[in-house]
Amino acid sequence: GAGVSQSPSNKVTEKGKDVELRCDPISGHTALYWYRQSLGQGLEFLIYFQGNSAPDKSGLPSDRFSAERTGGSVSTLTIQRTQQEDSAVYLCASRTGSAIQTQYFGPGTRLLVL
Amino acid sequence: QKEVEQDPGPLSVPEGAIVSLNCTYSNSAFQYFMWYRQYSRKGPELLMYTYSSGNKEDGRFTAQVDKSSKYISLFIRDSQPSDSATYLCAMHAGGTSYGKLTFGQGTILTVHP
Repeated sequence: GAGVSQSPSNKVTEKGKDVELRCDPISGHTALYWYRQSLGQGLEFLIYFQGNSAPDKSGLPSDRFSAERTGGSVSTLTIQRTQQEDSAVYLCASRTGSAIQTQYFGPGTRLLVL
Repeated sequence: QKEVEQDPGPLSVPEGAIVSLNCTYSNSAFQYFMWYRQYSRKGPELLMYTYSSGNKEDGRFTAQVDKSSKYISLFIRDSQPSDSATYLCAMHAGGTSYGKLTFGQGTILTVHP
């Protein structure tokens, strides 16, 4: 079956613009995570969705970052008023409700803020 | 200080060598320990995970966890050029952490023929 997909693959934007990044998890996976991978910082947790529960937003670096998950499936990560330090690879991962150890990652969206 | 420390390398070895990759951590609540492999411009893929202390073997790969020392290792035997990738250690506390992973910075490994 299909894995986790993310779009766009690459995004170049100007400082101050808003961007939306999309994640399509594996069908049937109830848990979804967003991570950010940047040089010097490694991979950092951003936000977690599980079913219909309120998301865990504890990893979001500022209020310019937000995410939603519609219908328990597709998720969108939005970055408002982008800054150069937001340049990174944004990775999405999903898993089943029970298999807490096994997260499947998408290929990521490479964001460059000029 | 980061919760998880990993030597970023790069590490270059000849084909057939034994590779040792290591991470240390500071959070004693971590219970689940994973190793991910990431090829260039791809997402990480799970190689192995272990719960608490001990060893786990899967083919050419062996994962070790020493909770008393807060130290985990991944050994790769008979390394192959196809093993060339970035290796990331990751861990979480279980329970209400809900699988939120804390990663090391990753070690870049090159296995040359």
